[in-house]
Amino acid sequence: GIQVEQSPPDLILQEGANSTLRCNFSDSVNNLQWFHQNPWGQLINLFYIPSGTKQNGRLSATTVATERYSLLYISSSQTTDSGVYFCAVGLYKLSFGAGTTVTVRA
Amino acid sequence: GAGVSQSPRYKVAKRGQDVALRCDPISGHVSLFWYQQALGQGPEFLTYFQNEAQLDKSGLPSDRFFAERPEGSVSTLKIQRTQQEDSAVYLCATRTGGSRNEQFFGPGTRLTVL
Repeated sequence: GIQVEQSPPDLILQEGANSTLRCNFSDSVNNLQWFHQNPWGQLINLFYIPSGTKQNGRLSATTVATERYSLLYISSSQTTDSGVYFCAVGLYKLSFGAGTTVTVRA
Repeated sequence: GAGVSQSPRYKVAKRGQDVALRCDPISGHVSLFWYQQALGQGPEFLTYFQNEAQLDKSGLPSDRFFAERPEGSVSTLKIQRTQQEDSAVYLCATRTGGSRNEQFFGPGTRLTVL
């Protein structure tokens, strides 16, 4: 199956700081999604981004499919950004990374 | 409804009991997936339906796990003779089936086997 590596595993930020999360994957895919898992376990769709760059408010993402990686940028972080961020890739079924746990301190 | 719904949200079973977990997809979504998420890990694929056809069940961990989608809408994941290692969150996801492959997840069912 497709291997997905996320880094860093844990990230502690002061409110207002910027950060970059990375996702490397082992094979060609036609689906790449970033999710935020909230404290209740719900996976919230952040980006559907098999290639290119997208922005949504303080979040943006870039996928370079030919080099098999994606980056998620969080700018001006807020305490509500805390949680686990997952990258998932695939052709139809999704393979997930282990996640990055983000803690934003006030 | 507007999103994927799952029921029950929480289920406690005694070891050896059978359980059934339900997923109601977004209306019109052709493709449906089941994933299992163990504590502290990312979700892992279990099985995939396109309409009523089960096209991939390679992720089902044992023959105690069975999934169906008889009318191409609601799906049920059944676990027979539950074991403690079956304790996990079971997530359902659906997508439209067109060229856009984006999946949308339900809130999950947290299964605890005692």
